[in-house]
Amino acid sequence: GQNIDQPTEMTATEGAIVQINCTYQTSGFNGLFWYQQHAGEAPTFLSYNVLDGLEEKGRFSSFLSRSKGYSYLLLKELQMKDSASYLCAVSDSNYQLIWGAGTKLIIKP
Amino acid sequence: IAGITQAPTSQILAAGRRMTLRCTQDMRHNAMYWYRQDLGLGLRLIHYSNTAGTTGKGEVPDGYSVSRANTDDFPLTLASAVPSQTSVYFCASSDSAGGTGELIFGEGSRLTVL
Repeated sequence: GQNIDQPTEMTATEGAIVQINCTYQTSGFNGLFWYQQHAGEAPTFLSYNVLDGLEEKGRFSSFLSRSKGYSYLLLKELQMKDSASYLCAVSDSNYQLIWGAGTKLIIKP
Repeated sequence: IAGITQAPTSQILAAGRRMTLRCTQDMRHNAMYWYRQDLGLGLRLIHYSNTAGTTGKGEVPDGYSVSRANTDDFPLTLASAVPSQTSVYFCASSDSAGGTGELIFGEGSRLTVL
């Protein structure tokens, strides 16, 4: 079966750095997405990786290793507003998105 | 309208009733999707449409139907609601059909079936 694994919850301190991991087992691979979802709101797009390596976008970076079925989202200089759930999703061989359950990130002052 | 609009934002419904969740986008996106989101689970695809006039079944289509008469509208109908359909429903669209484009989500419709 197809599977996306993320930690359920993580806690970090304001101003620090946090890495949220995502491992996947899917039938085929056509890219990996990260979305941010604040409580009670809709998910919003953060990043898309289809090739191996690191993509940097401001305070957020996303890394992909296709051979390892692994990605991470790196958040730097954490702010209180970064408290949210972070969703990992993989596009499989049929170009269907398979979603992880999300990682709830709690930021403490 | 800017982006995607869903209605209603919240609804309590008696089991057995028929319900239609509305979704309208103004971005002229070809692809549209309906997801449900339940605590502890990832988003699950109910139905999708790659272009006006076509629809397809997702991971959890049973008990739901959709139509795509035009580019902008993609309503989701529950023919006879059951308590297991209590969930938050998100409509989304993309300018790229086939799961390689950024999804734009509506604000969600919280449905409770009693």
